[in-house]
Amino acid sequence: AQSVSQHNHHVILSEAASLELGCNYSYGGTVNLFWYVQYPGQHLQLLLKYFSGDPLVKGIKGFEAEFIKSKFSFNLRKPSVQWSDTAEYFCAVGEVMDTGRRALTFGSGTRLQVQP
Amino acid sequence: DGGITQSPKYLFRKEGQNVTLSCEQNLNHDAMYWYRQDPGQGLRLIYYSQIVNDFQKGDIAEGYSVSREKKESFPLTVTSAQKNPTAFYLCASRDIENTIYFGEGSWLTVV
Repeated sequence: AQSVSQHNHHVILSEAASLELGCNYSYGGTVNLFWYVQYPGQHLQLLLKYFSGDPLVKGIKGFEAEFIKSKFSFNLRKPSVQWSDTAEYFCAVGEVMDTGRRALTFGSGTRLQVQP
Repeated sequence: DGGITQSPKYLFRKEGQNVTLSCEQNLNHDAMYWYRQDPGQGLRLIYYSQIVNDFQKGDIAEGYSVSREKKESFPLTVTSAQKNPTAFYLCASRDIENTIYFGEGSWLTVV
């Protein structure tokens, strides 16, 4: 079965620091890749997604992610974090099969705490 | 306003009772999902439905049941057979580009 690993469970950064959150998945076929964010007290929102094409994708609020197929990775980055980026971040992977697309498999999440 | 509406937002259940969580969407999406979110475990798939009158078990379907009689609605019943039902439940639907949109969630607590 598909698995998604987020190795950083809790990250604490100061404002203006750079951010990189790791995401690795196990499925060897074609995938759709996503990062979702959950701000405190709010529902999950899509941050960015990759389906095909340029492996470096840009999302909202200055976030970007790079798909490296050989490493089965889709790491999330932001050059300079803000206090408002404090949230929980989830990586998700969707398998693309001949029979269609299955539901997304989510990682366990990374809690980001940005200190002013 | 288009979106996914889950109700109730907070629900308390006595042990041995079944409860049903509502999920309605007006996005005209065919596929709908139920996930369970527990601290440190991310989101785990309970059930999903690709189309009306069809649904499939996810990774943790035991103790849950669903129905999909209408495109807009995908209710989840948490039965007394679910051993650890206290959790945050998220309903979602998927657009034709395979992007999933979530409702605001329902907190279920067993007392």
